[in-house]
Amino acid sequence: QVQLQESGPGLVKPSDPLSLTCTVSGGSISSYYWSWIRQPPGKGLEWIGYIYYSGSTKYNPSLKSRVTISVDTSKNQFSLELNSLTAADTAVYYCARHREDCTGGSCYHWFDTWGPGTLVTVSS
Amino acid sequence: DVQMTQSPSSVSASVGDRVTITCRASQGILRWLAWYQQKPGKAPKLLIYAASSLQSGVPSRFSGSGSGTDFTLTISSLQPEDFATYYCQQANSFPPWTFGQGTKVEIK
Repeated sequence: QVQLQESGPGLVKPSDPLSLTCTVSGGSISSYYWSWIRQPPGKGLEWIGYIYYSGSTKYNPSLKSRVTISVDTSKNQFSLELNSLTAADTAVYYCARHREDCTGGSCYHWFDTWGPGTLVTVSS
Repeated sequence: DVQMTQSPSSVSASVGDRVTITCRASQGILRWLAWYQQKPGKAPKLLIYAASSLQSGVPSRFSGSGSGTDFTLTISSLQPEDFATYYCQQANSFPPWTFGQGTKVEIK
């Protein structure tokens, strides 16, 4: 059974970049879409962006100018970089695998496997 | 962006109760909606996708219905392990995929 694990710093200074990695185990990163999703303390979920194993990406327009997601298939990992951090970026960051259902020429995505999440605090 | 609004924000219920949670989309999303369960300190878990399809391994007391803009998640007989926060997610309009603000199911 596939498992995901986020890793990265728990504390980042304002204006610094954040770099997180998600390691996929128990299965291949190939043939799937992979996302980053975050949740500020006590609040709801926000989708950040996805990467396909081939390298194609799509980002939330609200974060697009600050986000880069990349993949390393040789390591079965994908990564998130988020620039120009502020306190508003304090959140639990999750990586997740997509379940894709295609019908009528369109495809729809859900998140069927999640990592446990990692809390990132932005503070000086 | 498609805005997802859940109601109620919280509900108090007892073991054995039938619980219904509603999710409304700001525009039609056909049947492209999912429901997740999140327990404190844990990641969300996919329960239902495509409005009414049960994810593998999820108990049959969970069911979903709806299409267009109005959707419901029903727990037919609430169990102790079901006390959690539930989120809906629309998958029709992208980017971005968007979530509701959550409904907390609490013990009465």
